[in-house]
Amino acid sequence: DAGVIQSPRHEVTEMGQEVTLRCKPISGHDYLFWYRQTMMRGLELLIYFNNNVPIDDSGMPEDRFSAKMPNASFSTLKIQPSEPRDSAVYFCASSFHYTGRANYGYTFGSGTRLTVV
Amino acid sequence: GNSVTQMEGPVTLSEEAFLTINCTYTATGYPSLFWYVQYPGEGLQLLLKATKADDKGSNKGFEATYRKETTSFHLEKGSVQVSDSAVYFCALNNAGKSTFGDGTTLTVKP
Repeated sequence: DAGVIQSPRHEVTEMGQEVTLRCKPISGHDYLFWYRQTMMRGLELLIYFNNNVPIDDSGMPEDRFSAKMPNASFSTLKIQPSEPRDSAVYFCASSFHYTGRANYGYTFGSGTRLTVV
Repeated sequence: GNSVTQMEGPVTLSEEAFLTINCTYTATGYPSLFWYVQYPGEGLQLLLKATKADDKGSNKGFEATYRKETTSFHLEKGSVQVSDSAVYFCALNNAGKSTFGDGTTLTVKP
């Protein structure tokens, strides 16, 4: 199992450009999460999906951010237009939840380090 | 709602010292509890877990016991190594969604 795969690992873009981050979750996992991590704000949950359906996007900072999960093996997080304050490490994580039973934890990807100049 | 409070860092120890990082939680129902570790430049990795009261999770010499009566899940290791230097996150999971603590940075000096 290759784990959760994110691409690109690093992205440097100019303010105003569109940025697309990609994530391939672990096969069979039914939950997918997007997080943002910065020194100032720590780890923030942006949005999560269950069985490809967005469940809670209350953490998405503003309308410039959007996320999709067209199928069980792929998700994107898009920022349009990007701003310098969007600079952060963005993590994708996936999980399988046994309904009515215990959860066995998340598997995180290695992250995408986004720098907006 | 759900919340996790963990010991503020940073924590600096000498090699072979005993480690405790405190974690307490507030949750409805019966959450699963976790410790994750994040090494520089990497994503969070699951370190250990406990799914019910009195369970002890353990991995790589680290241990934590699910204490329902004190709503705690403190992380311990008897003898830390320089390679344990990282950020440690306590978390709980309820109905598929996890709530994370703010993280505690551990630095182990030789």
